[in-house]
Amino acid sequence: EAQVTQNPRYLITVTGKKLTVTCSQNMNHEYMSWYRQDPGLGLRQIYYSMNVEVTDKGDVPEGYKVSRKEKRNFPLILESPSPNQTSLYFCASSLGVGNQPQHFGDGTRLSIL
Amino acid sequence: DAKTTQPNSMESNEEEPVHLPCNHSTISGTDYIHWYRQLPSQGPEYVIHGLTSNVNNRMASLAIAEDRKSSTLILHRATLRDAAVYYCITAMNRDDKIIFGKGTRLHILP
Repeated sequence: EAQVTQNPRYLITVTGKKLTVTCSQNMNHEYMSWYRQDPGLGLRQIYYSMNVEVTDKGDVPEGYKVSRKEKRNFPLILESPSPNQTSLYFCASSLGVGNQPQHFGDGTRLSIL
Repeated sequence: DAKTTQPNSMESNEEEPVHLPCNHSTISGTDYIHWYRQLPSQGPEYVIHGLTSNVNNRMASLAIAEDRKSSTLILHRATLRDAAVYYCITAMNRDDKIIFGKGTRLHILP
């Protein structure tokens, strides 16, 4: 089954403790991206990647890092999490951008205390 | 800022058609118009997309204005399961960034 898998689905952690949210897709998609969703603000893109070793900033990249060493994986790294990064995170992938639909994961709810 | 403008919320009766509007006045000639929806406690789900011509699929229809500055997502016969937040976005080929707006929360009345 074609899917985008995020782990963990839920995480409660403390300020400053490095964490990684993994994202994996099995559709051989080139484009992958991370979004955060906050009440009243909709979905905002954090980082995106057009292909292996190619990443770029979205609208809200501060406090986040990503890597794209393999086509299928696009982990989101919070080196020193802070409470304002408490949010619902979604990973998405697609074959491309303009003419290709995005496939979203089920989301990861992060709480930073 | 979001490049699309949608009403915050809309209501419709079950089994009636629903027309969800979206304005994208700064759209360029190569930008596609995409619609996604997000059901409660789920990730966004692709609905439909188009460039210039109207599009139909099993979920919905997309009507694109001749000047492409607006579009309308049409649900032909709404059910309670269509209650969701609907997002209209423009996906650009020349810029890889994707910008979602706040979407329209659709309420379906039984």
